[in-house]
Amino acid sequence: EVQLVDSGGGLVRPGGSLRLSCAASGFTFTDYAMNWVRQAPGKGLEWVASISSESTYIYYADEVKGRFTISRDNAKSSLSLQMNSLRAEDTAMYFCARGFWAAGALRYFDPWGRGTLVTVSS
Amino acid sequence: DIQMTQSPSSVSASVGDRVTITCQASQDISTWLAWYQQKPGKAPRLLIYSVSTLQSGVPSRFSGSGSGTDFTLTISSLQPEDFATYYCQQANSGFTFGPGTQVEIK
Repeated sequence: EVQLVDSGGGLVRPGGSLRLSCAASGFTFTDYAMNWVRQAPGKGLEWVASISSESTYIYYADEVKGRFTISRDNAKSSLSLQMNSLRAEDTAMYFCARGFWAAGALRYFDPWGRGTLVTVSS
Repeated sequence: DIQMTQSPSSVSASVGDRVTITCQASQDISTWLAWYQQKPGKAPRLLIYSVSTLQSGVPSRFSGSGSGTDFTLTISSLQPEDFATYYCQQANSGFTFGPGTQVEIK
């Protein structure tokens, strides 16, 4: 069974840092791109970052570029998101999601982890 | 950036009803559109990708159609487990989600 287990969320002050992790199992991790998607409380979904299977290609949403770093450890089947200079508007549930390819490109997200909550507040 | 809109924002329906949700892209996204279902406190689930292809395990009462800028998700006969929020997502240029449509019990 494919499983993605997100962890590392918590309460952090504005300007602080946090590192999220996602442990993957049940599939060949090195065959897939991985992604982070977030959801502010009571709001919709927002793509955050993507990383290709060998970390060759990395993409960020403009809102987090320069502050967040996505990375992966293929030996450990794990995905990370280092979040620096956090702002109140970064408060959200953060989901890791496996990439779903179609026509030679990363297009969709399936499946998703259960999420880890990040709260940025003083 | 491509913007996505959905209508209605919420719909009240009864078990057995046919429900239709529309999604519109701000520019042509060809057929690079997916639909996700999210229940309260749960992670989203991919239902349909590339407009009309059902993900494995998704019941056939779900269907999708459209191309270009206008897309539709249809639930042919609403079941109790279908009460949830539905999001569309474009995958033509970057990744953008619609604001969601909540399907509520009438």
